[in-house]
Amino acid sequence: AQSVTQPDIHITVSEGASLELRCNYSYGATPYLFWYVQSPGQGLQLLLKYFSGDTLVQGIKGFEAEFKRSQSSFNLRKPSVHWSDAAEYFCAVGARLGSSNTGKLIFGQGTTLQVKP
Amino acid sequence: NAGVTQTPKFRVLKTGQSMTLLCAQDMNHEYMYWYRQDPGMGLRLIHYSVGEGTTAKGEVPDGYNVSRLKKQNFLLGLESAAPSQTSVYFCASSYSVTGELFFGEGSRLTVL
Repeated sequence: AQSVTQPDIHITVSEGASLELRCNYSYGATPYLFWYVQSPGQGLQLLLKYFSGDTLVQGIKGFEAEFKRSQSSFNLRKPSVHWSDAAEYFCAVGARLGSSNTGKLIFGQGTTLQVKP
Repeated sequence: NAGVTQTPKFRVLKTGQSMTLLCAQDMNHEYMYWYRQDPGMGLRLIHYSVGEGTTAKGEVPDGYNVSRLKKQNFLLGLESAAPSQTSVYFCASSYSVTGELFFGEGSRLTVL
């Protein structure tokens, strides 16, 4: 069965510092991988996604993520964090099931990012 | 640009009461999903639909029912609410099995 683990429940960084949020997945083949962000009281917004090809993926708001098959990881990075990046971040995995694919995603537990001034 | 709209946004129920959450999308998406979000547990899939007239169970379907009579609407029902169903419910839709999920703003349900 697919699963996603985000080892860090809560991370605090200073504004302007770099950021890395960890995501590990369990799946028998190459999955689809996503990062979503949720601001308080809002729904989830897609930051970036990996389907195939280049393992370094660029997203919105200056975020990027790197797919590492050997480590079953899809970590999210940003070189310089802004106060507006404070939010909850979710990693998600989708299955490649061919004709029976349903598009459903399995989400990690989430990482809450706090940004210090 | 309405996108995905959920109603109601807030609701308080007593144990044993029933209610229906409505999700409406105006993007002509085939795929629709209901998730629940609980602290420390991320989002868990309750039910989903791959097209009008179809529904299927997700990870945590017990205590919920769904219907997709019209392509644009996906209803989530609680027949007899329990305190364990206190949660924030999110509806999402997608245009393909590999496409981005578009989320509603959530419906906060409290069961006393």
